[in-house]
Amino acid sequence: AQTVTQSQPEMSVQEAETVTLSCTYDTSESDYYLFWYKQPPSRQMILVIRQEAYKQQNATENRFSVNFQKAAKSFSLKISDSQLGDAAMYFCAYRARTSGTYKYIFGTGTRLKVLA
Amino acid sequence: EPEVTQTPSHQVTQMGQEVILRCVPISNHLYFYWYRQILGQKVEFLVSFYNNEISEKSEIFDDQFSVERPDGSNFTLKIRSTKLEDSAMYFCASSAPLSNEQFFGPGTRLTVL
Repeated sequence: AQTVTQSQPEMSVQEAETVTLSCTYDTSESDYYLFWYKQPPSRQMILVIRQEAYKQQNATENRFSVNFQKAAKSFSLKISDSQLGDAAMYFCAYRARTSGTYKYIFGTGTRLKVLA
Repeated sequence: EPEVTQTPSHQVTQMGQEVILRCVPISNHLYFYWYRQILGQKVEFLVSFYNNEISEKSEIFDDQFSVERPDGSNFTLKIRSTKLEDSAMYFCASSAPLSNEQFFGPGTRLTVL
């Protein structure tokens, strides 16, 4: 069964600094998708960035980028120039591509605090 | 921009009562999902729905749960006899054909007393 692990329950970063959130996963599939979702206090789930496993190039979205290491099954999120609005829970999620199941499997989340 | 909506935003109910959580997915989406998040814990998959039938469900989704798409727009989750441990945030999500992205609604906070 697929699993997603986020080993950092909480992280802090100074405003304007860079922070990296870790995520590892386990799967026997060769093709899948990985996502980072942000959950602010409103608890809305907001997609931050996604990565297709067949793509070697790391995804980037403005200040957000990932370090995708397929062999190591690692998918970390880097937030550059951190802003107060980045404070939230961040969830890593996995979705298989070809096995016929489309459910997301989420990690336990990392709470990010941004210090002014 | 189209979005998934959910009603109510907060539902309080007595243990043993039935509740229906409602979702309006994005109009051209064909895949629908319910997830649950107990306070302070991770988001867990409950069920997926496609072509008017359940395509997958988790072990959490037992006989007290059911889903329905009663018309062309709504997608509902019914909990027949609520338990204290059903207290959680329930998220609806939908996705378009051939898309890997699920769009989440704002959630319904269910409190069982």
